[in-house]
Amino acid sequence: SQQGEEDPQALSIQEGENATMNCSYKTSINNLQWYRQNSGRGLVHLILIRSNEREKHSGRLRVTLDTSKKSSSLLITASRAADTASYFCATVSNSKLTFGKGITLSVRP
Amino acid sequence: DVKVTQSSRYLVKRTGEKVFLECVQDMDHENMFWYRQDPGLGLRLIYFSYDVKMKEKGDIPEGYSVSREKKERFSLILESASTNQTSMYLCASSRPGQGLIGQYFGPGTRLTVT
Repeated sequence: SQQGEEDPQALSIQEGENATMNCSYKTSINNLQWYRQNSGRGLVHLILIRSNEREKHSGRLRVTLDTSKKSSSLLITASRAADTASYFCATVSNSKLTFGKGITLSVRP
Repeated sequence: DVKVTQSSRYLVKRTGEKVFLECVQDMDHENMFWYRQDPGLGLRLIYFSYDVKMKEKGDIPEGYSVSREKKERFSLILESASTNQTSMYLCASSRPGQGLIGQYFGPGTRLTVT
């Protein structure tokens, strides 16, 4: 069964705008990770946030985690055309890693 | 940089054929994983291995087997390919002790079974 559910399923923005993607999950987690997948390629690990953390930054990425709401958000600031990809959240719970179905982000030049 | 390579990017096989998908990583990672990715279903774990000769079933192992004879190589085997195994197959590895954290993925093999 899917643990992480991303929202929206697809997002289209203009280059330079910020992109916000959300992930909700059902059970308690040890950590939550975000991955990116460029078209037809493998996944690339972007960032991890542990269950006792609320916010993390990495370059233009900002991840938040609200364990009371069982949700996370990924913010990409000042988006670029190269950010066009699918983004997946993945949760670790009970020694199991579960991926969501992904969000397709299109950044228009 | 860690490199995870998969033997083929695209593969077309006939129903009933035995299919081998090979995955090799070059960073001495102990942990290796096989996923399949289907539209609307995301990634699902087929098998994983935390050491040579060791294998564990994932969420959807039916119709698949694996082999880990060497640390760097993890093979996925479809004993008798069926059309419902048409999918994108992704191999991943991770550092010792990291297991489920920060997996490195290969480019994927898109398998079509006709």
